[in-house]
Amino acid sequence: SQTIHQWPATLVQPVGSPLSLECTVEGTSNPNLYWYRQAAGRGLQLLFYSVGIGQISSEVPQNLSASRPQDRQFILSSKKLLLSDSGFYLCAWGGGPYEQYFGPGTRLTVT
Amino acid sequence: AQSVTQLGSHVSVSEGALVLLRCNYSSSVPPYLFWYVQYPNQGLQLLLKYTTGATLVKGINGFEAEFKKSETSFHLTKPSAHMSDAAEYFCAVSDTLNSGGSNYKLTFGKGTLLTVNP
Repeated sequence: SQTIHQWPATLVQPVGSPLSLECTVEGTSNPNLYWYRQAAGRGLQLLFYSVGIGQISSEVPQNLSASRPQDRQFILSSKKLLLSDSGFYLCAWGGGPYEQYFGPGTRLTVT
Repeated sequence: AQSVTQLGSHVSVSEGALVLLRCNYSSSVPPYLFWYVQYPNQGLQLLLKYTTGATLVKGINGFEAEFKKSETSFHLTKPSAHMSDAAEYFCAVSDTLNSGGSNYKLTFGKGTLLTVNP
């Protein structure tokens, strides 16, 4: 069966510091991968998606970037965090027009 | 682009009462619709989905939803609420990432927080 991992689970970082969040998927090959951000009262916003190694598309211009160095690894990064980057970050995998499966999430607090 | 509206950001019911969470969508093509549940500080778990076929779909934990094309709705119901149902619920519609493309994303509503009173 497929499983999706995210780490760290929680993170507190000062403004201006770098960020690296990691997501890995097991039990599937060449999945579509997604990064979402969830802010209080605003639902989920798609940040990036990837259909293959090295292929990244951004949905929303922002202070963040994403990379996919391996088939089942998806990384969310920032060079300098802003207060507005705080939120709950969720990685998901899926294929086709059907459901996506979500990881446990990372709670990021920028202070 | 597709959109989803969840009526009521917060719904409160008594244990044993009917749960009804409302979702309306806007879609230019036949939609694929989903309900997810999120417990505090956890990821989203798929409750149920509608793709094609039977319009009444059953999911986990006793939940079900009915796709009504004429009303552009996909409301979530459960006959009898349990304390363990307290969580946030998200309705979502599948949407293409690029015009005419074959890659998809989920467009979510803003969520409905369900509280269950003893």
